[in-house]
Amino acid sequence: GAVVSQHPSRVICKSGTSVKIECRSLDFQATTMFWYRQFPKQSLMLMATSNEGSKATYEQGVEKDKFLINHASLTLSTLTVTSAHPEDSSFYICSAPDRDRSNTGELFFGEGSRLTVL
Amino acid sequence: GDSVTQMEGPVTLSEEAFLTINCTYTATGYPSLFWYVQYPGEGLQLLLKATKADDKGSNKGFEATYRKETTSFHLEKGSVQVSDSAVYFCALRLGAAGNKLTFGGGTRVLVKP
Repeated sequence: GAVVSQHPSRVICKSGTSVKIECRSLDFQATTMFWYRQFPKQSLMLMATSNEGSKATYEQGVEKDKFLINHASLTLSTLTVTSAHPEDSSFYICSAPDRDRSNTGELFFGEGSRLTVL
Repeated sequence: GDSVTQMEGPVTLSEEAFLTINCTYTATGYPSLFWYVQYPGEGLQLLLKATKADDKGSNKGFEATYRKETTSFHLEKGSVQVSDSAVYFCALRLGAAGNKLTFGGGTRVLVKP
């Protein structure tokens, strides 16, 4: 099946710094990628939808200046957590549909990136 | 709004036991329904899906039937294995939402030898 890779898988940073998380589709092209946040023992919360070549669409309540999303190519989307604070500590997951099989409704997920802000 | 409710875990059972994870949904239209599984240390992956009422999705011995009358999509497996230990997520997608999925809270299943 299609593979989505996230990097880094774990990152620890100091409060006030910025952290970038990459999401790559390795063997397919994705015009859209979804960024989720998963809290402990809770479901995945959709944060935003990144669109290749245009601005991301953010869900209600998600600060777009806090969580910068860039979808630079058909295989790469990045999430940058700016001026991170401890409350931003979470598990961030990206997913993407295969552009050439989008009618199946299947999303392919990255392994997730655990962010810890000290 | 649209939502998915699934039973809370963890669910602990012995190998070869019968597994049921309940999932119900609320949606304004006619959604497609999915079960995703997250094995330890891995990303979510699609387990099965159903796109219309009375459809049955099946994979790896798991089954779920799309019940419109009860707005449910319960996941079942007749005989679980230790390797089925994972977190299971029920999800829905509305046609108008593109590929955007709404997830349930996830159910952790632990199968003991």
